[in-house]
Amino acid sequence: AQSVTQLDSHVSVSEGTPVLLRCNYSSSYSPSLFWYVQHPNKGLQLLLKYTSAATLVKGINGFEAEFKKSETSFHLTKPSAHMSDAAEYFCVVSDPGTGRRALTFGSGTRLQVQP
Amino acid sequence: DTGVSQDPRHKITKRGQNVTFRCDPISEHNRLYWYRQTLGQGPEFLTYFQNEAQLEKSRLLSDRFSAERPKGSFSTLEIQRTEQGDSAMYLCASSQGVGLTGSPLHFGNGTRLTVT
Repeated sequence: AQSVTQLDSHVSVSEGTPVLLRCNYSSSYSPSLFWYVQHPNKGLQLLLKYTSAATLVKGINGFEAEFKKSETSFHLTKPSAHMSDAAEYFCVVSDPGTGRRALTFGSGTRLQVQP
Repeated sequence: DTGVSQDPRHKITKRGQNVTFRCDPISEHNRLYWYRQTLGQGPEFLTYFQNEAQLEKSRLLSDRFSAERPKGSFSTLEIQRTEQGDSAMYLCASSQGVGLTGSPLHFGNGTRLTVT
């Protein structure tokens, strides 16, 4: 069975400082991993995805994530936060090897960016 | 590409009534998903279609819920005899895929259901 744990429900940073959103996953096979962002009153938007190629994945808006199999982690980072980054972030796992198409979402991390 | 479209954006209904939501996926996408999101939680998978075939259903999808995708294009999600616990955001997503591979999901803005 696949599952995702987002270790922080809320993260607050100052504008211009680094962002770290933590995610651990559990998967029976070789997972695909994603980060999605949800701004208020807007749909979920894909930030980046990992599908067993390079372990360091670059996404949109300066975000990147590193897949660490030994730690079963897929943490999201950004060197310098911008006010527009304030949103809800979801870590997502998919196990295509199980034959299931359903994505499993974490419970989300709300990122606040202080001026 | 106009994205995934959902209608209505908001629905308020009284307990016991039936409601139906519509999703229009991205036109070239063969896969369509329904998710439900409650306040403070991540989306939970409800069901998945490959073309017109419903291939996966979650245990969350009780017998009051039914989804269809009759021509492999738009989909409807119906909830019969609504309960207050059904209040949530219902999200539709689509993707293009063959076998075990596929593009990432593109989500619509959702239909917010409030059951009074």
